[in-house]
Amino acid sequence: EAQVTQNPRYLITVTGKKLTVTCSQNMNHEYMSWYRQDPGLGLRQIYYSMNVEVTDKGDVPEGYKVSRKEKRNFPLILESPSPNQTSLYFCASSSTGWVGELFFGEGSRLTVL
Amino acid sequence: DAKTTQPPSMDCAEGRAANLPCNHSTISGNEYVYWYRQIHSQGPQYIIHGLKNNETNEMASLIITEDRKSSTLILPHATLRDTAVYYCIVPRPDNAGNNRKLIWGLGTSLAVNP
Repeated sequence: EAQVTQNPRYLITVTGKKLTVTCSQNMNHEYMSWYRQDPGLGLRQIYYSMNVEVTDKGDVPEGYKVSRKEKRNFPLILESPSPNQTSLYFCASSSTGWVGELFFGEGSRLTVL
Repeated sequence: DAKTTQPPSMDCAEGRAANLPCNHSTISGNEYVYWYRQIHSQGPQYIIHGLKNNETNEMASLIITEDRKSSTLILPHATLRDTAVYYCIVPRPDNAGNNRKLIWGLGTSLAVNP
C-alpha cells in the first residue's frame, strides 16, 4: 500500500530536548516536504526537498533542520524545541516535484512544555 | 501571489450535491487549481486539479470559469464522510521564479448533515 509514514504520532517533550520526527514514503517519490498546522493559520511549509541531498527552506524554517540522505526518508529535526513549536506536523511526498498530487502522512502531534 | 478566497463554512444535506466555490482572480495563465480536503486532523487528501477545462474523477468534479478567476468543486452526492475542510490552492512561485510552494488558507469547513 502506497503511504507516507510518520513517527511518532504523538509526543510530549520538554524545552531544549532534541527530537526527530521521522518520515518515510514507499512510492519512490523525489519530492518531500514538511508542514506544520496551527489553529487559525492553516498549513505552513517548513522545509522541502526536490531530491536526495537537495533541500530548501519553506515559509517557517526557523528552529528546524532536515536532511535527505535517502530518497525514501526525510526526517525533521528540532535541535532545541521550544513551546512555540507545539503543533501538528505533516510530511508529504509527490512524484512530480511540487505540483500534482501530494500524499500526506497521518500527522505528528507535538507538545513542547 | 495567486491567492484564493473561500467561504469559511458551508452546510449540505446528505445525498445532495455540495458545491464549494473558490475565487482566484489573480491566477496566471499557466497556474493550476488544486483541491484537497482534510478530515478532522488527518493528513490532507488530494481530490482533483485543473487548468482550464472542467475535470471529473471518482471523487468530485471541478468546474473552472472561462476567465479562470474562480472555480467550483462539486461533490455530486455528499455523504456524512465528506464532512471535512476543503482547500482550494493555486501554487505560487518561489524566489527563483519556479512554482514550488503551495499556500494553504483556512479552507471551507463543509458539514454534511443527515
